[in-house]
Amino acid sequence: DGGITQSPKYLFRKEGQNVTLSCEQNLNHDAMYWYRQDPGQGLRLIYYSQIVNDFQKGDIAEGYSVSREKKESFPLTVTSAQKNPTAFYLCASRGRGATDTQYFGPGTRLTVL
Amino acid sequence: GIQVEQSPPDLILQEGANSTLRCNFSDSVNNLQWFHQNPWGQLINLFYIPSGTKQNGRLSATTVATERYSLLYISSSQTTDSGVYFCAVESGGGNKLTFGTGTQLKVEL
Repeated sequence: DGGITQSPKYLFRKEGQNVTLSCEQNLNHDAMYWYRQDPGQGLRLIYYSQIVNDFQKGDIAEGYSVSREKKESFPLTVTSAQKNPTAFYLCASRGRGATDTQYFGPGTRLTVL
Repeated sequence: GIQVEQSPPDLILQEGANSTLRCNFSDSVNNLQWFHQNPWGQLINLFYIPSGTKQNGRLSATTVATERYSLLYISSSQTTDSGVYFCAVESGGGNKLTFGTGTQLKVEL
């Protein structure tokens, strides 16, 4: 089946540890995105990538890092510099057409203890 | 940046009722999408609708781009319609979406 997978579904980490969230897509999409969602809020853009080996900061990039070495994969690292990392993280991808839409993965719930 | 406001923030309906959700945006947009977030957190595309009207079963949407708003209509609501409905817009380059804060819908028997 074509789609976007995120792993793990739930993740617990101790304060001060870096953690990497996985996002993989087999839709042959060029663009990929990472969003953060806090309870009762909308989604906010962390980073996005429109092509392999290139990515740009979104609205809330501080404390996060990404890489885009392969078209299919766009991992997000939550570093110890992120002050409030506990949140729901969603990955999305989009095709190249002007009318293409973003499709979302199932998300990862990160809890920092 | 562009601002996206949704109303109402919360809505409780009896099964079978109709409803209208509104999305206002502060600038011209290239793209507007409506999503439904189910109780497990999955976002599901409902409509891509930068302008005009579309219908899909019991759901329909209308965007009036010149007046900077979009409406999502839900008819004959069912309990499975419960969840959060988000409007998201794309303005300028980069194909980036800006989300509203959503409408939390609960449909009761």
